[in-house]
Formats: sequence, structure tokens, C-alpha cells
Amino acid sequence: AQRVTQPEKLLSVFKGAPVELKCNYSYSGSPELFWYVQYSRQRLQLLLRHISRESIKGFTADLNKGETSFHLKKPFAQEEDSAMYYCALKTSGSRLTFGEGTQLTVNP
Amino acid sequence: DGGITQSPKYLFRKEGQNVTLSCEQNLNHDAMYWYRQDPGQGLRLIYYSQIVNDFQKGDIAEGYSVSREKKESFPLTVTSAQKNPTAFYLCASSLPGTDNYGYTFGSGTRLTVV
Repeated sequence: AQRVTQPEKLLSVFKGAPVELKCNYSYSGSPELFWYVQYSRQRLQLLLRHISRESIKGFTADLNKGETSFHLKKPFAQEEDSAMYYCALKTSGSRLTFGEGTQLTVNP
Repeated sequence: DGGITQSPKYLFRKEGQNVTLSCEQNLNHDAMYWYRQDPGQGLRLIYYSQIVNDFQKGDIAEGYSVSREKKESFPLTVTSAQKNPTAFYLCASSLPGTDNYGYTFGSGTRLTVV
């Protein structure tokens, strides 16, 4: 069965420090993975998708099929990065399975 | 301005009552979804619909019902059979075939049972 695990419910870093939000998945097919972000009082929105190998707002994520991971990284965290982050796996059809989420706080 | 509109923003329900949450989109998306968001549990899929007049159960469909009579609309009814309905409900839509561009989410409805 498909499953997405985000082991850290809360993550706190200082401004300018590197940040890594962990995501592991379990899926028998070929995975398509996404990161979504929810800023305070805003809608959940797509941050990035593995298929495009893009960098958005300084964040990158690499799919590691050997370790079944899709960790989100940023070399220098900013205060405006404080938000809830969800990793998501696309499974049958177009449905997404989400992880539990990680609340990131970037302290000044 | 295209997007998804969920209403109402806040909803209070008495025990034993059914309530319906509205979700409307003008993005011409074929697929629509209902998720429930609880602290520490992420988003869990309730129901989804990939075309009009068709829908499938998600992971936690018990106590919920939906309809998809129009492409633009996908209302969710929380029935009295749902044992723990107090939660934040999110509606989303996507265009199959372009799913790699992600879902568009509504702003959510917070349901509280009183």
C-alpha cells in the first residue's frame, strides 16, 4: 500500500541555517512526488514537483528511489519560510496521498 | 478570477444533524477531491471524482457522502454517522493529464460539532 511518512512534526531552525524536511514513501509503482506548503492564513499550494527538477524559493528536492526518499532542502532558511510543509505521492489516477506534515519555524 | 470557492468558512453542527459543505470551481477542472485535515494526521482523502456523475471513496469515506451532478460543483455531506466530524475540510481540483502541475485547493471549511 502507498504511504508517505514525514518523521518530524515540528522543525525549528535559525535564519540563515540550512534546513532539511524529511519525506519517505512506500509505493510499488513508479512514484511521482510533490511538496506542498501552507503559509499562515493562506491556502495549501504546490511548492515543487520532482518531475520538473526545479528550485522554488530556494528549495530543492531530489527523488532517491534507493532510499525511497524525497527530502526538501534549502541552504539558507528565511523567516518567511515558516509554514506547514506536506510531502505528497501521486498514486492511482490523479489522487494524492499526503504525509502528516512538518511545521517549520525559522527563528530570527 | 479563476479558483475554488468553499463555503461556509465556519460551520457549527449539532449532534445528529447532517450538514453540507459547498465546493465550486471555475477552472474547468475535471477532477475534484475532498480532504480532511487534522493536526498531526496530515490530509486524508474522503472522496474524489474524476468526471461528472462519478465518484470514488477515499481512505476515510465512512460517514460522508458526495454528489457530482455538475463539473463545477462537488458538495460534501457530513452525516450523523460520522463519529468525529469536527475538523478542517479542504476541497481541491485538478485537470487529469496535467496533474504534474498539482492540485488547486480551496480555503477550507472548519466544521465544529456543538
